Amino acid sequence: DAGVIQSPRHEVTEMGQEVTLRCKPISGHNSLFWYRQTMMRGLELLIYFNNNVPIDDSGMPEDRFSAKMPNASFSTLKIQPSEPRDSAVYFCASSFGHPQETQYFGPGTRLLVL
Amino acid sequence: DAKTTQPPSMDCAEGRAANLPCNHSTISGNEYVYWYRQIHSQGPQYIIHGLKNNETNEMASLIITEDRKSSTLILPHATLRDTAVYYCIVTETSGSRLTFGEGTQLTVNP
Repeated sequence: DAGVIQSPRHEVTEMGQEVTLRCKPISGHNSLFWYRQTMMRGLELLIYFNNNVPIDDSGMPEDRFSAKMPNASFSTLKIQPSEPRDSAVYFCASSFGHPQETQYFGPGTRLLVL
Repeated sequence: DAKTTQPPSMDCAEGRAANLPCNHSTISGNEYVYWYRQIHSQGPQYIIHGLKNNETNEMASLIITEDRKSSTLILPHATLRDTAVYYCIVTETSGSRLTFGEGTQLTVNP
């Protein structure tokens, strides 16, 4: 298996622009997680889906952030409009069944908002 | 989820065992201990987890004290590629939420 796939791996954009991050979970996994990592806040959970349904989005910072999972093999995290403070590494992870805490992480997308 | 306390950094000689401690004195009966690591510029990697019994897999061993208030992750023969930040996480399996703390920066020296 190729593992969790994220694209793009690097993104540089200007403040105010829309940014879309993409994730393909491991085939057969039924839970998908989006995390953000910064030096100041460490690694924090933004949202997670189970069977394509958002279960907990309490970590989503504000309305500028939205996440979708239209099917079991694809998810997006969108930031609109982007701000410099959104600069971070965004990780996607997936898991199967229980325990859901055994999560497999992708390589991350490094986002820089100028 | 219970809070964990880990030393900020540790050093280990290549080929020797690395013993990474974690305190979780407020752990409850239905909470598991999970260990993940993050090698520089990569996504976190699952290592091992346990409830109350000691566990071993191809990567490491997990020793949990009888009162469950602390645990130790053991890498039996550390290599340079084991240099990473190691996270100890305590969580209920029903919650699905992993809360990553500061972790321990393990540096394996040649």
